[in-house]
Amino acid sequence: DAGITQSPRYKITETGRQVTLMCHQTWSHSYMFWYRQDLGHGLRLIYYSAAADITDKGEVPDGYVVSRSKTENFPLTLESATRSQTSVYFCASRDTGRGGDTQYFGPGTRLTVL
Amino acid sequence: QQQVKQSPQSLIVQKGGISIINCAYENTAFDYFPWYQQFPGKGPALLIAIRPDVSEKKEGRFTISFNKSAKQFSLHIMDSQPGDSATYFCAAKGGSEKLVFGKGTKLTVNP
Repeated sequence: DAGITQSPRYKITETGRQVTLMCHQTWSHSYMFWYRQDLGHGLRLIYYSAAADITDKGEVPDGYVVSRSKTENFPLTLESATRSQTSVYFCASRDTGRGGDTQYFGPGTRLTVL
Repeated sequence: QQQVKQSPQSLIVQKGGISIINCAYENTAFDYFPWYQQFPGKGPALLIAIRPDVSEKKEGRFTISFNKSAKQFSLHIMDSQPGDSATYFCAAKGGSEKLVFGKGTKLTVNP
């Protein structure tokens, strides 16, 4: 089905382990984003990408790494997970066509770091 | 730092009532103001959006009111229904690709 998907939907890991969250979109949107959602903080931007091989930091990038070798994929890696990275992670994409500003969000990945 | 301040944190309304959520911003470069709706276990989805060239936008029971001079905008949900129970986020964008979100309002509509 067309749209934006995230995997896994749920993940439990331990402190210090590397974790990669996957995001895939079928629209060929130029922009992709990673957010984390925590109670009391709303949605905070971690990283975003304007196109393949172009990425930039958001509000809370520390401890995260991103890459974008293909337009449709935008994985987020926690190189050494910490408990403070327990959160719900959302990927989003946005088209630049027709002046659109709408960001389309995936279903989220709930990550627990023990 | 760019901020969007949203209030209230939570709101309880009776079915058929009006729900009002307010947001304020500081950055005058913002030129796009969307509202997102999020149901439990789902990602946020665009509900309605406005640009500063108009003071109000209505889509069905949902209306955005925008006050450029006060740097405030609000979401009004008329004839609120239990199915409207969700978390609502205001956001703002301008001068960059970054969408800045408010902290959210949890709306509960009692039957």
